Amino acid sequence: SQTIHQWPATLVQPVGSPLSLECTVEGTSNPNLYWYRQAAGRGLQLLFYSVGIGQISSEVPQNLSASRPQDRQFILSSKKLLLSDSGFYLCAWSEHSNRDNTIYFGEGSWLTVV
Amino acid sequence: GNSVTQMEGPVTLSEEAFLTINCTYTATGYPSLFWYVQYPGEGLQLLLKATKADDKGSNKGFEATYRKETTSFHLEKGSVQVSDSAVYFCALSAGGTSYGKLTFGQGTILTVHP
Repeated sequence: SQTIHQWPATLVQPVGSPLSLECTVEGTSNPNLYWYRQAAGRGLQLLFYSVGIGQISSEVPQNLSASRPQDRQFILSSKKLLLSDSGFYLCAWSEHSNRDNTIYFGEGSWLTVV
Repeated sequence: GNSVTQMEGPVTLSEEAFLTINCTYTATGYPSLFWYVQYPGEGLQLLLKATKADDKGSNKGFEATYRKETTSFHLEKGSVQVSDSAVYFCALSAGGTSYGKLTFGQGTILTVHP
């Protein structure tokens, strides 16, 4: 069966410091991969998606970037964090064929920028 | 563009009460519809889904029917339990070139008291 893991689960970072959140998917090949953010008291917002290695699409302009160095690895990064980057970040995947459009989420990472 | 509107919460019920959380959507084409549940401090779990009109998704006693004529996908449960306390998200995926990206409602907080 397929599994998705992301880490770290929680982190507290000072303003201006770098960020790296990592996500891996097992049990499938060539998945579509996604990063979502859930800000406090708000819904989920799609940040990035990827349909293949090295292929990244950004949904909103922001202080963050994403990379996909391997087929089942998706990384969310920032060179300099802002206070507004605080939130709950969720990695997700779907089958590449996406016949039923179902997306499966990881456990999430809580980021607090202080 | 696509959008999802959920009833505003929070919703507070006593155990064994009937639950309805309303969800309506706006989308072009024929989207797939989903309900996700988020328990405190955790990521999102797929609760149920429906991929075409008149489909009924069901899981763990929850049900939702895809109503194209009213563009709705209301979540129902006949008898809620304390363990159902969570945030519930309605979402749609437009498919096609959207690569399965989800559009979420704002979420509805459900609290069930003994």
